[in-house]
Amino acid sequence: NAGVMQNPRHLVRRRGQEARLRCSPMKGHSHVYWYRQLPEEGLKFMVYLQKENIIDESGMPKERFSAEFPKEGPSILRIQQVVRGDSAAYFCASSTGTTRSPNTQYFGPGTRLTVL
Amino acid sequence: KNEVEQSPQNLTAQEGEFITINCSYSVGISALHWLQQHPGGGIVSLFMLSSGKKKHGRLIATINIQEKHSSLHITASHPRDSAVYICAALFGNEKLTFGTGTRLTIIP
Repeated sequence: NAGVMQNPRHLVRRRGQEARLRCSPMKGHSHVYWYRQLPEEGLKFMVYLQKENIIDESGMPKERFSAEFPKEGPSILRIQQVVRGDSAAYFCASSTGTTRSPNTQYFGPGTRLTVL
Repeated sequence: KNEVEQSPQNLTAQEGEFITINCSYSVGISALHWLQQHPGGGIVSLFMLSSGKKKHGRLIATINIQEKHSSLHITASHPRDSAVYICAALFGNEKLTFGTGTRLTIIP
């Protein structure tokens, strides 16, 4: 039973390029969360998705960032026109989303984005 | 405002010592997570608890709802326990609010 998968593990982009980060939740999990960890800072919530729906995107920058979790396939966090300040570790977590709340969130290994 | 505070920020101890890391939160929560992060590594969920106490191996987590406080204890600490330990609170909804982390170093 594989855990939460993220790829790529490391991503290097030049300023102005696009970054696509993928997250495959644990089997049976329908809820996905994205968190960002800036260098020397704590983790911060970005967005919470269920299949085909964005539930809460209050932590996501209004411009250049978008997220989706399609019916089939992984969740994607997309950053357009990256800037140096986007360099960070991006973690995905998933949970079952059962009615028995709260649910344990299981984290992926993270994607470390470096913007040159 | 939903806030989570951890102490200490850094902790260095000798192998074998009993370790305590503290976490306080500002308002009522639905659950609290304790997480472990190794340098440059991923995040491992150690515990999620809403009340009382949980134990896994040498790790023990407790929570006091009335005092809005949780502790993570490590018994018989070992150098491989060296990591950053993070508490994260669920304030009623599904998104986590994180403490700043405690950097633990266990010296052989």
